[in-house]
Amino acid sequence: SQTIHQWPATLVQPVGSPLSLECTVEGTSNPNLYWYRQAAGRGLQLLFYSVGIGQISSEVPQNLSASRPQDRQFILSSKKLLLSDSGFYLCAWSGRVGYGYTFGSGTRLTVV
Amino acid sequence: SQQGEEDPQALSIQEGENATMNCSYKTSINNLQWYRQNSGRGLVHLILIRSNEREKHSGRLRVTLDTSKKSSSLLITASRAADTASYFCATVLASGFQKLVFGTGTRLLVSP
Repeated sequence: SQTIHQWPATLVQPVGSPLSLECTVEGTSNPNLYWYRQAAGRGLQLLFYSVGIGQISSEVPQNLSASRPQDRQFILSSKKLLLSDSGFYLCAWSGRVGYGYTFGSGTRLTVV
Repeated sequence: SQQGEEDPQALSIQEGENATMNCSYKTSINNLQWYRQNSGRGLVHLILIRSNEREKHSGRLRVTLDTSKKSSSLLITASRAADTASYFCATVLASGFQKLVFGTGTRLLVSP
């Protein structure tokens, strides 16, 4: 069966520090991968999606970047965090159109 | 920007009652999905309804879709305290890449 792993679960980082969040998927090949951010009490905002290795599409211009170095690995990064980068970050994968997404357990990032 | 808007934003009911949440969206869709999120956790896919379907059932869940009104509803029958969570509708647009665009969510509280 397919599983998705996301870590770390919680992260507190100072302003100006770098960020690296990792997401890996098991049990499927060539998945579509997504990074979402959720502000407190709000809906989810799509940040990046990827249809294959090295293929990244950005939805919102911001202080973050994403990379997909391997088929089932998706990384969210920042060179210098801002206070506004705080939030709940969720990784997800999907297969073909017409099927639901599977989400990771999320990373709660607090920038101080 | 948000594609979907849920109504109500918050709903408080007693165990055994039915809970109805509504979702409206703006542009033509390929399918509409409902997700559940327990506090501080990842999202769990509940049900998917395609644009050519009008109603779908899964256990105690019933979803309807009215594409002429660009709206959907989620009914949870015989609610339990364990149903307490936030519920989100999300749409896959009819054109372009199959990214999932989320609404703002309904917070459901089911009291024993």
